[in-house]
Amino acid sequence: GDSVTQMEGPVTLSEEAFLTINCTYTATGYPSLFWYVQYPGEGLQLLLKATKADDKGSNKGFEATYRKETTSFHLEKGSVQVSDSAVYFCALYMNTGFQKLVFGTGTRLLVSP
Amino acid sequence: EPEVTQTPSHQVTQMGQEVILRCVPISNHLYFYWYRQILGQKVEFLVSFYNNEISEKSEIFDDQFSVERPDGSNFTLKIRSTKLEDSAMYFCASSEAPGAIDEQFFGPGTRLTVL
Repeated sequence: GDSVTQMEGPVTLSEEAFLTINCTYTATGYPSLFWYVQYPGEGLQLLLKATKADDKGSNKGFEATYRKETTSFHLEKGSVQVSDSAVYFCALYMNTGFQKLVFGTGTRLLVSP
Repeated sequence: EPEVTQTPSHQVTQMGQEVILRCVPISNHLYFYWYRQILGQKVEFLVSFYNNEISEKSEIFDDQFSVERPDGSNFTLKIRSTKLEDSAMYFCASSEAPGAIDEQFFGPGTRLTVL
C-alpha cells in the first residue's frame, strides 16, 4: 500500500544552520505531497505542498521539491530559527477520490540558540 | 482565525471502559476525519465522515469504534470498550471540500491513556 518514510529524529541544530529532513514515499499512482508541522500544544498545520512532479512547495523559508524519479520530498531550510523547533510530518494524498492522508512518523527538530 | 478544537486534551481510562473524544470542526467545513498516532509510530487514518455518514474507514476502525455528529457543531469518536493498544494521540481534522482539493485542518489532539 501507499506509505511514507521519514528520517528519524530528533534532529538537533544550532540557530542559522541548514536543515534537511528526508522523506520518501511509495505509491501506486501520482500522489500529492505535503509537509505538516506541529508546534508544542497545537494541531498539525499545513506547511507546504506539491501536487505534481517537479513542483516546489515553499512557505516560511521552508522548501520541498516533488522528485518523482527518486520518490522523494525532502524538506529544507537555509537558516533555522529557535522558533522552528517542532515536529515535522511528511504526508501523501492519492488523487483518486480517497479522503485520507498517509503520514510518516514525524521528525522532531530542536534548534538551540 | 478559525481552528479545530478537541476536548479533553488528555483522557485516562481503565481498560474496558467507554470513552468519547470530542471535536469541534471549523464551522463551514463539511468533511471530518479522525487520525491517531501511537507513540513512536506513524499518524494513521481512522475514518472520514461526510453528510452524516462514514465515507471511508481503515482496518483499525472496527466495531469498537463509532463516530457521530450529534449536533451542528460537534464531531465525536467513541471507543466502546477500550484496550491497552488504544492508547494514542487522537487527532480530529476537517476540510471544506474532500481530501487534497482542500486542506485538512487539524486539532491539537487528545492523548488517550488506557490503563
